[in-house]
Amino acid sequence: NAGVTQTPKFRVLKTGQSMTLLCAQDMNHEYMYWYRQDPGMGLRLIHYSVGEGTTAKGEVPDGYNVSRLKKQNFLLGLESAAPSQTSVYFCASSLPGGFQPQHFGDGTRLSIL
Amino acid sequence: DQQVKQNSPSLSVQEGRISILNCDYTNSMFDYFLWYKKYPAEGPTFLISISSIKDKNEDGRFTVFLNKSAKHLSLHIVPSQPGDSAVYFCAATRYSGNTPLVFGKGTRLSVIA
Repeated sequence: NAGVTQTPKFRVLKTGQSMTLLCAQDMNHEYMYWYRQDPGMGLRLIHYSVGEGTTAKGEVPDGYNVSRLKKQNFLLGLESAAPSQTSVYFCASSLPGGFQPQHFGDGTRLSIL
Repeated sequence: DQQVKQNSPSLSVQEGRISILNCDYTNSMFDYFLWYKKYPAEGPTFLISISSIKDKNEDGRFTVFLNKSAKHLSLHIVPSQPGDSAVYFCAATRYSGNTPLVFGKGTRLSVIA
């Protein structure tokens, strides 16, 4: 049982390039989330989804877009990468309800030069 | 404005002793709280939670205490083990609805053998 899988694990981009981070979960969870973790900042929510075809903004959504076309996948896109988006990105999924424990992937380390 | 605060960035404890990690919150609408543990290069994992209808919840060596009037919760680990060395995140939400988790910045616990 893989749980939550994030692809890729590492990536280096140049400023202005675009890319998509993929999150896949095999637990049939309704809710999915994208966070970023920066030194001394904890986990900050970028976007989340409470079901297939729905997305909502979190605390730090600017510069990112998301799509949830299939229940098991949640994609995070950077249209024009900026150095300020250098971070570790975590995807998580959970059963319905904000109180439900979230299951996290192991992260994608993204560096933007 | 930080709604969930973990004011101690780090904590060192001797093996076998008690570890106490603290968390304060400012939003009186929060009524459900969770603790996550994170090892390097891994995603956070859920540890224990507590609802505001309780003031204590215990799971093995881990106990979470909630003081609603002080808007304060603490995680006690007894006895502490070297494998407990990790970053611990406190998170808060509302039990009803889809309110996303709000995370604190984390406390790095080092258990010294």
